[in-house]
Amino acid sequence: SQTIHQWPATLVQPVGSPLSLECTVEGTSNPNLYWYRQAAGRGLQLLFYSVGIGQISSEVPQNLSASRPQDRQFILSSKKLLLSDSGFYLCAWRPGGRTQYFGPGTRLTVL
Amino acid sequence: QKEVEQDPGPLSVPEGAIVSLNCTYSNSAFQYFMWYRQYSRKGPELLMYTYSSGNKEDGRFTAQVDKSSKYISLFIRDSQPSDSATYLCAMSADSNYQLIWGAGTKLIIKP
Repeated sequence: SQTIHQWPATLVQPVGSPLSLECTVEGTSNPNLYWYRQAAGRGLQLLFYSVGIGQISSEVPQNLSASRPQDRQFILSSKKLLLSDSGFYLCAWRPGGRTQYFGPGTRLTVL
Repeated sequence: QKEVEQDPGPLSVPEGAIVSLNCTYSNSAFQYFMWYRQYSRKGPELLMYTYSSGNKEDGRFTAQVDKSSKYISLFIRDSQPSDSATYLCAMSADSNYQLIWGAGTKLIIKP
C-alpha cells in the first residue's frame, strides 16, 4: 500500500530564516505530487504541483519554491520566511485519477 | 465570486441526528466531486468520490450531486461524536486535474 510522509510535524521559525519541508511517498512510482497551504479556518491553497522529477509548476507567486530531486520526494523551501508564511502545509499525491491523498501536514509558525 | 462556496459553520447537532453538508459551484464544467474529512491538525482524508450526477452511498455517508442546480451534498446518518471534524468539498473538470476546494464546514456532534 502507498504511504505519504511529511516532516517535520511542527516547526517554529524566526522571520528571515530559511525553510525546508520534505515529503516522500512510498509504494508507488512517478506520482503526481502537490504542496498546499491551509491558513487557520480556511480552505486549501495550491502552491506547487509536479508531474515528474525536475518538473514543477507554481500556482501562486510567493516567497516559496519547490523541488523534486527524486521520483518520490518533494521539497518545499524558502530562503527567507515572512510572517505571512505561517500555516499548515500539506503534501498530497495523485495516483492517476482525480482523487488526491494527503500526508499528515507540517504546522509552521513564523515569529 | 468564488468557484466553490461552502458555509464555514460551525454546524452543531446532537448525536444521532442526520447531518447535511453542502457546496455550491459556478463552473458547469465540473464533473468530478469529492468530500474530504479533516480532523484538527491532521491531513484531509478522502470520504466520498462521485462522477457526474447522482447519489453514492457508503455506510452512514451519502453523497449527492445535482448538476442542474450546481449543488452537492454530503449526508451523515446516525451522527457520532467521532464525526466531529471539518468537511471539505473539492471538484474538477474533465480538462484539468487540479481540484478546486471549498473552504470547509466545521461540524460538531454533541454527545
